[in-house]
Amino acid sequence: GDSVTQMEGPVTLSEEAFLTINCTYTATGYPSLFWYVQYPGEGLQLLLKATKADDKGSNKGFEATYRKETTSFHLEKGSVQVSDSAVYFCALSVSSNDYKLSFGAGTTVTVRA
Amino acid sequence: DVKVTQSSRYLVKRTGEKVFLECVQDMDHENMFWYRQDPGLGLRLIYFSYDVKMKEKGDIPEGYSVSREKKERFSLILESASTNQTSMYLCASSSFSPGQGRKTQYFGPGTRLLVL
Repeated sequence: GDSVTQMEGPVTLSEEAFLTINCTYTATGYPSLFWYVQYPGEGLQLLLKATKADDKGSNKGFEATYRKETTSFHLEKGSVQVSDSAVYFCALSVSSNDYKLSFGAGTTVTVRA
Repeated sequence: DVKVTQSSRYLVKRTGEKVFLECVQDMDHENMFWYRQDPGLGLRLIYFSYDVKMKEKGDIPEGYSVSREKKERFSLILESASTNQTSMYLCASSSFSPGQGRKTQYFGPGTRLLVL
């Protein structure tokens, strides 16, 4: 079935460091891809999304490009801040049911001042 | 802005109790979802509903039931709580409207349930 694999954490970085979180997917058809973020004590918020191959989603300095050839949707940010400390989830829309999402296990990111 | 609210942020219940978790959304969304979140497992879908009084099982429905009597409200019921149901429960909603926007899910803040 459709599924997402994302890199295991936790990831600890210093402020202003470069962040990459890898995400690869397995899907039939052409799923939409998402990154959600969960700040401490809160629910998930949509960070960015891409709906077709070569689309780039971006928000709050984060970017991810939908790569069909490598079935990947890696999340990147050039200079992280302490406020970026959170859990990041990669997700895809399940092809058999258009409005269901399949989530990765989540990657915990801690940014130190 | 879409707002999804959950009735409690924290709950402590005893084994065998019947537990109700309530979720309300204010964007007239057709689809609503209940997930549980556990460390290392990500989010797992328990149930979802695509219309009033309609429901479908997700990946882990055992031990849970749901109710959707009104469009804006989706309740998760633990008929007889057990310690392995201690978890974070997240509610979400999304639109059924055609187009790519319908796949985006909006989440509530979560209910952290402890079953003793």
